[in-house]
Amino acid sequence: NAGVTQTPKFQVLKTGQSMTLQCAQDMNHNSMYWYRQDPGMGLRLIYYSASEGTTDKGEVPNGYNVSRLNKREFSLRLESAAPSQTSVYFCASSEALSAFSDKNIQYFGAGTRLSVL
Amino acid sequence: EDQVTQSPEALRLQEGESSSLNCSYTVSGLRGLFWYRQDPGKGPEFLFTLYSAGEEKEKERLKATLTKKESFLHITAPKPEDSATYLCAVLLPLNYNAGGTSYGKLTFGQGTILTVHP
Repeated sequence: NAGVTQTPKFQVLKTGQSMTLQCAQDMNHNSMYWYRQDPGMGLRLIYYSASEGTTDKGEVPNGYNVSRLNKREFSLRLESAAPSQTSVYFCASSEALSAFSDKNIQYFGAGTRLSVL
Repeated sequence: EDQVTQSPEALRLQEGESSSLNCSYTVSGLRGLFWYRQDPGKGPEFLFTLYSAGEEKEKERLKATLTKKESFLHITAPKPEDSATYLCAVLLPLNYNAGGTSYGKLTFGQGTILTVHP
C-alpha cells in the first residue's frame, strides 16, 4: 500500500519552461490537494479537488493549473515556470470533505523539490 | 483573517526533558485541529485530530490537548527519534464549485522544529 505517490522527486527548470507534477493515491480517496511549502511560509494550498470531476482554487493558484484525471490521479502543471515557483510541492488526499470527521485527515506524499533558475 | 501561530519556532531539549509545543489560532468556524509530524525531506505524517475544547489524545510520548483558543502538544521524556518539525493545522469551511459548503480546508501554522539531544 503506497499511499500517495508523487513524481518526480526532484526537478530543475529554466525560467519559462513547463512541466507537470504527477500525483496518484491508492486509498480510494475522494478529495485531493496540492500544496507548496516555503521556508517561513508554512504549507499553502494551491488547488484542490473535492471529488472526481471537480477542481477549485486554493490560496495561491496563480501560475498553476490542475487536472483530476480520474479518482486516483491529480496533476499540477506549471505552464511557464518562474523563479518564484521554486518550492517543495506536496500532494495530499483525504477520504472526503466532512465537518467534524476523521474523513478529513489528509495523507501526504513525499514531495517534489522544484528549482526554477 | 484566519491565523494559526505556532511557538516556539525551534525547541532544543535534552533526552528525557519534557516540554510542550503551542498552537494558537484565531479562526471563525473551527471544525477540527490536526497535528502532523514532518521529518526532513519527507511529507507531513498525521498524528492527531481534536474536535472540541477539552479533548485530549495520546500516542506514545505525545499528548495533544485543545482549548477554545489553542492546542498543546506535550512531549514526555522525549528521545532523539522524536526530533522533527511538528505542524498544526485548523480545519475550516471550504466552498467548492459543486455548490454549497463543505469542510476540508487545512490552514497550517509555520511549524516548530524540535531537536532532542542524547
